[in-house]
Amino acid sequence: EDKVVQSPLSLVVHEGDTVTLNCSYEVTNFRSLLWYKQEKKAPTFLFMLTSSGIEKKSGRLSSILDKKELFSILNITATQTGDSAVYLCAVGYNNNDMRFGAGTRLTVKP
Amino acid sequence: GAVVSQHPSRVICKSGTSVKIECRSLDFQATTMFWYRQFPKQSLMLMATSNEGSKATYEQGVEKDKFLINHASLTLSTLTVTSAHPEDSSFYICSVPDARDTEQYFGPGTRLTVT
Repeated sequence: EDKVVQSPLSLVVHEGDTVTLNCSYEVTNFRSLLWYKQEKKAPTFLFMLTSSGIEKKSGRLSSILDKKELFSILNITATQTGDSAVYLCAVGYNNNDMRFGAGTRLTVKP
Repeated sequence: GAVVSQHPSRVICKSGTSVKIECRSLDFQATTMFWYRQFPKQSLMLMATSNEGSKATYEQGVEKDKFLINHASLTLSTLTVTSAHPEDSSFYICSVPDARDTEQYFGPGTRLTVT
């Protein structure tokens, strides 16, 4: 069965901490892995990863994919209260199938 | 285990037909569920908020007569795409907030292809 598992489900840190969010997957014919940040109701796109070992970076956020071990991590350095959100991982596979993980809720305390 | 399920995971339908997508909350009752649609360049758009026992709340620009939402019970919301057209082909995902609205759980999504 195709699945996408995110961990941890929730995480509480303090401002300035660095966090690592995990997304593992088991799908057939992997195509891509996407990360979203969801605040309130509307998720915003962060990264799309297709190749192993190539880090994508945007400000304090970075992500990398390991297609051999079937997982990706999303790193956030020097966290701020504005980073508090649910972070979603989605995996595209087969021709145009997609599956979302349940998300990780990050809370950054001042 | 999964907290939210969607059925079907993928569906292909002909232009002009209607298709129903189910979203089920497996672990808890939900008076509210959210429906999203994925657009090109990976963006997710909130379509509507499904409210148990009352009408759904649609976001601006979403046609309520085309995307019918029925929150039939505290564990089930359905999205029916009526008179589907190829431009409705997309990935539809639902989410369910828990009772305290502190956690939100996403379904695995449904890929709709209209031919």
